[in-house]
Amino acid sequence: NAGVTQTPKFQVLKTGQSMTLQCAQDMNHNSMYWYRQDPGMGLRLIYYSASEGTTDKGEVPNGYNVSRLNKREFSLRLESAAPSQTSVYFCASSEASLAVAGELFFGEGSRLTVL
Amino acid sequence: RKEVEQDPGPFNVPEGATVAFNCTYSNSASQSFFWYRQDCRKEPKLLMSVYSSGNEDGRFTAQLNRASQYISLLIRDSKLSDSATYLCVVNSPGGGADGLTFGKGTHLIIQP
Repeated sequence: NAGVTQTPKFQVLKTGQSMTLQCAQDMNHNSMYWYRQDPGMGLRLIYYSASEGTTDKGEVPNGYNVSRLNKREFSLRLESAAPSQTSVYFCASSEASLAVAGELFFGEGSRLTVL
Repeated sequence: RKEVEQDPGPFNVPEGATVAFNCTYSNSASQSFFWYRQDCRKEPKLLMSVYSSGNEDGRFTAQLNRASQYISLLIRDSKLSDSATYLCVVNSPGGGADGLTFGKGTHLIIQP
């Protein structure tokens, strides 16, 4: 029962470096999401994909790009990392879109530090 | 910005006690409400949905007060394993993908 799998779990980057966070779900869900969680800020939506082939911006998309590679996989790319992107990143999936979804299934998180 | 407000705590509660905390929301048109649980350094997981009539799941009771725009979570006979952060989540209509708004969480510590 893998659910939602994220890699890597930990990463340290230098300012200006790029990296991609990978996410895969095995529940045949249509919708996938990337959130970031910062102390005192709660979970904030970065990007989402309502279905294979579509992606849309969430609340805090600046500095990120995403790719919905297929129904299972949704990656998040930082093209030029900044210290402000130090955070815990969660990938999530749901059967329905967020507009009607109740239950989101989250990955275990990826802890990113940008020096 | 749709707002969902929670008391961050921490709530320090002795084992076996009853504890309750609320979450207020600003969008009166909000339609769906949920409580998620997040353990330290783990991912959030759905604890329970909150229905208009209120609902109970074992030691946990969730209630919705639309007039005052808040939801509540009551935990009876608290266990050490209940220590976690509880996130209030509100789904507002027409919000698209960001129709789900997460509160910042209430930190609960059950003490032996």
